[in-house]
Amino acid sequence: GEDVEQSLFLSVREGDSSVINCTYTDSSSTYLYWYKQEPGAGLQLLTYIFSNMDMKQDQRLTVLLNKKDKHLSLRIADTQTGDSAIYFCAELFTSGTYKYIFGTGTRLKVLA
Amino acid sequence: EADIYQTPRYLVIGTGKKITLECSQTMGHDKMYWYQQDPGMELHLIHYSYGVNSTEKGDLSSESTVSRIRTEHFPLTLESARPSHTSQYLCASSELVLAGDWALETQYFGPGTRLLVL
Repeated sequence: GEDVEQSLFLSVREGDSSVINCTYTDSSSTYLYWYKQEPGAGLQLLTYIFSNMDMKQDQRLTVLLNKKDKHLSLRIADTQTGDSAIYFCAELFTSGTYKYIFGTGTRLKVLA
Repeated sequence: EADIYQTPRYLVIGTGKKITLECSQTMGHDKMYWYQQDPGMELHLIHYSYGVNSTEKGDLSSESTVSRIRTEHFPLTLESARPSHTSQYLCASSELVLAGDWALETQYFGPGTRLLVL
């Protein structure tokens, strides 16, 4: 079935690195995404990675993709209190119907 | 910055009322989506559209209906609201953009409507 799983909570100290993990099911997914959701708001696209890439870096964000294990991770360097939010990974499922499958979300709490 | 709008942002309404949640985007995107999300939980796709006059049901069974008469507008209607409809409703649109040698499908979200049915 289509399932994207994430751990529910992560707590880190300000200035440390955060690593949020995700496992997905569709090995044929071409696009994988990370979204951030702040309280009471919609989802904001943070970054993406194509399936032919192992790693993508974008300022403080590093995305690692392990296709063999269907594992995606988001590393946030020098985590700030403003990074506290819920982070969703998502894959674009292109087998048959074109649709996005979202993970359960990881709530990141940054302690000052 | 995506130009996708939802109104109202918050709605408290009694059981049995008919409600329409509005969603509009000014980016000319063909694909639009409605998701239902309980606070802090995962998103569930309830409806989507690939363009004008195209509407499909998503994964989560929903008593709502949608219409797509204009590209920019994708309203969601509940004919008779019930307490079980209490949730946050997120609208999104997507486009295919060129990123180097690839075409990237990117989804943009509205701010959401928080619905409370008493």
